Formats: sequence, structure tokens, C-alpha cells
Amino acid sequence: DVVMTQSPLSLPVTLGQPASISCRSSQSLVYSDGNTYLNWFQQRPGQSPRRLIYKVSNRDSGVPDRFSGSGSGTDFTLKISRVEAEDVGVYYCMQGTHWPGTFGQGTKVEIK
Amino acid sequence: EVQLVESGGGLVQPGGSLRLSCAASGFTFSSYWMSWVRQAPGKGLEWVANIKQDGSEKYYVDSVKGRFTISRDNAKNSLYLQMNSLRAEDTAVYYCAREVSGYPRDFDYWGQGTLVTVSS
Repeated sequence: DVVMTQSPLSLPVTLGQPASISCRSSQSLVYSDGNTYLNWFQQRPGQSPRRLIYKVSNRDSGVPDRFSGSGSGTDFTLKISRVEAEDVGVYYCMQGTHWPGTFGQGTKVEIK
Repeated sequence: EVQLVESGGGLVQPGGSLRLSCAASGFTFSSYWMSWVRQAPGKGLEWVANIKQDGSEKYYVDSVKGRFTISRDNAKNSLYLQMNSLRAEDTAVYYCAREVSGYPRDFDYWGQGTLVTVSS
């Protein structure tokens, strides 16, 4: 299976400051249709995962524009421009290009 | 509004069985692939099984093949996971998730989850 490696695994951030999470895949995530199926999910404490970003950089409906996704091939990044208290939680990247789809280990974002 | 509500979790002994259910609403259930994804306590996410819109195709992660069976009832807007021969390593929160398409993989909506604990 394709291995997804996130870093850092823990990210203490000051409110109002930016945050960045890296996700690297063991194989290219470009699919035969030309799209790259790399998603980001947010899991707040005690809640289920919520999709934030799909196909690298597309924000889901209702997701604040302080969240942005970028990258290509095997290297991807989720950025939060100004961290707010409600952003605390664990963030997972997930690749959907290669069967069966695999998740990163998760990055825990907390407030300093 | 898309809603997925799981039920059926609980405490079961090793070797036992459990049937999970997921009630879907807010979308045309019969038009979507559906999946079960699990999360062991304090761990990450692992896809478990999925099923095509009409139930004609089903796929499983290797660790549950032969023990778990996914099914659906489109008339009842419901998804199921029959879990037999349960092991301690099956202990997890099980989420029902809607798929954008069967492949490539993408889960756009998730339920709140139901906890399965396998222990004597």
C-alpha cells in the first residue's frame, strides 16, 4: 500500500499565527485522469473526521478560507493562515489514487 | 443536510459477533458507494469495507476478509456491517462514510461513529 507520511506529528501554535502540515506519499498520486486525489480531513476532539480539502486544493463548502492545500506528485501541504481556537484537533491527509486508499498518521494541532 | 447515524456497537467477547447499522438521510442513498472506516483508540484511520450502489460489488481490507460482511438496503436507506469472529484488534470506533465514487477513493461525509470493544 502507498504510505503517507505526515510531519510534524505534533504542532503547538500560537493563536493568530500560521501553521503548516506536510504530507508525503511513497508514490506519485497523479491518477490516470490527470487529477491528484489527495484530501485533508480535520478531526476535532471527540468528533468524527470532516473533509476540508479534496483533490489537493479544493476547499469543501463551509470550510474557512484560512485553510489552503497545495502540492503535487508526492509532496503536499495544508496551511492554516491564522490559527483559531476551533482549529484544535488532528489533521489527516489521505490518498485516494491507489487502492485501497491510505491515511497519514495524523498531526495534532494544539494551542501553545 | 447529509446525515449518517451509526448504531449497534458495544462490548463483545473475542470470537463473538456484532452487527453495525448506519441510517442515511439527506441524499439519494442508492446513488452512492458507501464505506466503513475504523479508528482504533488513540490511533489513525483505516478503511474497512465498501459496497457499490446496487450491492453488486463489495471490497474488504485483508485483515477482515472472511470475517466481516458489508451489505445495504436501499429501500431503508441503510448500510450494515456484520462482524464475526471478532478479535481484540478489531476494537475501534467504526464510521460509516459516503464515497464520492468507488474509485478513486474519497469520503465526503462521515457519521459520528459507534464504538466496538472486543474484550473478555
